[in-house]
Parts: sequence; structure tokens; C-alpha cells
Amino acid sequence: AQSVTQLGSHVSVSEGALVLLRCNYSSSVPPYLFWYVQYPNQGLQLLLKYTSAATLVKGINGFEAEFKKSETSFHLTKPSAHMSDAAEYFCAVSDQPVSSASKIIFGSGTRLSIRP
Amino acid sequence: EPEVTQTPSHQVTQMGQEVILRCVPISNHLYFYWYRQILGQKVEFLVSFYNNEISEKSEIFDDQFSVERPDGSNFTLKIRSTKLEDSAMYFCASSVDGRDTGELFFGEGSRLTVL
Repeated sequence: AQSVTQLGSHVSVSEGALVLLRCNYSSSVPPYLFWYVQYPNQGLQLLLKYTSAATLVKGINGFEAEFKKSETSFHLTKPSAHMSDAAEYFCAVSDQPVSSASKIIFGSGTRLSIRP
Repeated sequence: EPEVTQTPSHQVTQMGQEVILRCVPISNHLYFYWYRQILGQKVEFLVSFYNNEISEKSEIFDDQFSVERPDGSNFTLKIRSTKLEDSAMYFCASSVDGRDTGELFFGEGSRLTVL
């Protein structure tokens, strides 16, 4: 079974600092990987996705993630944090299509706080 | 931009009562899902639905849960007899093709509080 592990349930950075949220995946086949963001009292919004087309994936709001097969990682980064980036971030992996509908398996989430 | 819509946004119910959560997926999508998130915990898969039948369900999705697509637009989750531990945010999601990139589009959620 596929799974993702997010290291650090809470990350705090200063405004303008680098954001790095870590995610490692476990998969026996090439995975589809995602980062979703959840702002307070809102639903899940897709930030970016990896579908094997390119290892460096750019998403919305200046975020990007790099797929590293050798490290089984898909860390999320942003060069300069904004106050508006404060949210919960979920790494996720898509179940491969051995069943009739692929489902997404979520990590436990990382809460990102931004210090003024 | 098309979006998944869910109603109600918040429902409070007494333990043992039946609850129906409603979702309108994106119109050309074929695969539908329910997830839940207990406060402070991870988002968990409940069930996927395609061609008017359940494709896959998790251990959480026991006999108290059911899903239905009663018409061409709505997708519902019913909890027959709610328990305190059913209190959670329930997210509906849809996708165009379950075998594609796996990208799911989520609604904003329905918060269920069981007293």
C-alpha cells in the first residue's frame, strides 16, 4: 500500500524566509504525488501535482516541489514566506489504478505558521 | 471555475439521529469520493463511487454509512445512526477520470457535530 509521511506537524518561519515542508512517500510503483493546502475553515485546495512529466513541479502561490526518486521525497518549498501562507499543508499520494477509481492517501499534515 | 459544492456547511445533531450530507460534484466528472477529517487529525478516505456503485470503501465506512447518487447532480452521504465519534469535517470530492492523474477536486466540507 502507498503512504506518505510528513516530517514535522508544525513548522514556523519568519515572513520572507524560506519555507520547507518535508514529505516522503512509500510506493511500489511510480506514484502520483500532490500537495494540498487547507486554509482555516476552508476545504482542500490543490497546490501542485507530480505526474512524472517533470521532477520539479511549480504550483500556485509561488510554491514548488521536487520529486526525488532516490530519496523517495517530494518536499514543498517557497523561497519567501508571506503571512497569507499560514495554513495546513497535506502531502498526498494517489493510489495506482488497480481498482476502478484511484483514491488519494493523505499525510498527517503540517501546520505552517508565519512570524511577522 | 467549476467547483464542488457541499451542504450543509455545518450540522449539529443528536447521537442516534440520521444525517444526510449533500454534494454537487463538478458536472462532467465521473468519480466521486467522500473523505473525513476528525478535528486535528489527517484526512481519511471513506468511499469512492463510480457508475452508480461503490468502487472502494475503507474500514471506516461500515454499515452505518451509505452513499447515493439520487439524480444526475447530487451525491449524498448518509449516516444512519450517528455516534459521537462521527463528529468530523466531511469532504466530498470528484474527478474526471479515476485512472488519470488522480487529481481530486474537493468541496469546502460539511462540519458534523454529534452531541
